[in-house]
Amino acid sequence: ILNVEQSPQSLHVQEGDSTNFTCSFPSSNFYALHWYRWETAKSPEALFVMTLNGDEKKKGRISATLNTKEGYSYLYIKGSQPEDSATYLCAFISTNAGKSTFGDGTTLTVKP
Amino acid sequence: DSGVTQTPKHLITATGQRVTLRCSPRSGDLSVYWYQQSLDQGLQFLIQYYNGEERAKGNILERFSAQQFPDLHSELNLSSLELGDSALYFCASSVAYRGDTQYFGPGTRLTVL
Repeated sequence: ILNVEQSPQSLHVQEGDSTNFTCSFPSSNFYALHWYRWETAKSPEALFVMTLNGDEKKKGRISATLNTKEGYSYLYIKGSQPEDSATYLCAFISTNAGKSTFGDGTTLTVKP
Repeated sequence: DSGVTQTPKHLITATGQRVTLRCSPRSGDLSVYWYQQSLDQGLQFLIQYYNGEERAKGNILERFSAQQFPDLHSELNLSSLELGDSALYFCASSVAYRGDTQYFGPGTRLTVL
């Protein structure tokens, strides 16, 4: 059983705060790590696909880093806005299987 | 709009019944994935098909089965339904076998009474 853990489980910040969360995954048999954003009453939407150790990806105010040797990825949001409120999921894909193992997500609430 | 369609949007049925959920992937995508999200639980991977063949299996119950047809649409069949099968079922698609961005459909909300 693959263990993918995300922390914190939830986060409440004020508009304008910068924040970050963590996804931990097995450091062996790494193939890829995906980040998704999941707004209430919608379906998950892909943010980043990360495949190489040291990868850094950026989309607007959101960025992510990857450390495959130690098995973690960070997602950063700079200057949070209320529209950033969502659950952020990471998914680990191993070389052994095609399936994605999702973490339970970090739920971010940004207060105006 | 991800380009992935799922029907029906909502389904209400009784215990013991059988239902079929349908998914049409984005144009050009060969992989289809099925996920279950039960109340207060995260996304659980059920099964993946790639170009008509089963490629990966998660914690899918024996009462559940799926297939992918030559036109690449997929169906998830749930039989002998139990109350605990009530959940949101998502389909996702991607171009390749693995590692690719997955595009999620809007989901089918199944309620078993």
